[in-house]
Amino acid sequence: DAKTTQPPSMDCAEGRAANLPCNHSTISGNEYVYWYRQIHSQGPQYIIHGLKNNETNEMASLIITEDRKSSTLILPHATLRDTAVYYCIVRVAGGANSKLTFGKGITLSVRP
Amino acid sequence: KAGVTQTPRYLIKTRGQQVTLSCSPISGHRSVSWYQQTPGQGLQFLFEYFSETQRNKGNFPGRFSGRQFSNSRSEMNVSTLELGDSALYLCASSLVGSGTGANEQYFGPGTRLTVT
Repeated sequence: DAKTTQPPSMDCAEGRAANLPCNHSTISGNEYVYWYRQIHSQGPQYIIHGLKNNETNEMASLIITEDRKSSTLILPHATLRDTAVYYCIVRVAGGANSKLTFGKGITLSVRP
Repeated sequence: KAGVTQTPRYLIKTRGQQVTLSCSPISGHRSVSWYQQTPGQGLQFLFEYFSETQRNKGNFPGRFSGRQFSNSRSEMNVSTLELGDSALYLCASSLVGSGTGANEQYFGPGTRLTVT
C-alpha cells in the first residue's frame, strides 16, 4: 500500500470549515483513499473514501487532485465533537487485501 | 443496524496468563479484522478472518491467534501474556467478499487490556 503523509496537527474555529490535507504521491491506479477518525479512546470511525472523483457524504467531502497524489478531507462546519485524530489511508480495495495501515494521523483541535 | 460489539470492554490480567476477546460484526458482514493500539506503536493490524479462514496476518508473534465462527463472530486469543501486550484491541468488520470494490471497515469500541 502506498504511504501517506499528513501534518501532525492543525486547529480550526468551531463553525468554520476544516480542511485536512494528505499526500500520497506513490498511489497506484487501483488504490483508494480512505479517511477514518478516532476520538479519544474510541474505535476509529469510517468517514469517507474515494478513488479519483470527489466524494461527499453526510459527514464530509473528499477532494482528490487530478493526479491523485494528494487529497483533502473537508469538514464543512466543524464542531467541538470533531476534535479527533484523522487518518488518511491508501490501499487496494476488495479481495483478500483488507488490511488498513494506519500512520500517525493528524490531530484536529476545534476551538470554541 | 447494530454496530460492531466487543466484549469485554475492560480486562486486567497477570503476566503469563492467557486471554480471549470476542467480537460480533455488523449483521451481514463476513470479514473481521483485529488491530492492536498502543501509545508507542499506534494502530497495528493483527489478522483478518473471512468465512472462518485467516486471510491476512500482521507481524505479531504466534502467541496471538484468532478464529471465526460460522456466524462470523470472531475471537482472538493471546497466550502467555507480557506487559507489552497491554493495549486497546480493536475489531473491525466489513462486508467484503471476493472481487473488487472499496470495502470500508467499521470498528467496535475496543477491549482495553491491562497486563500487570
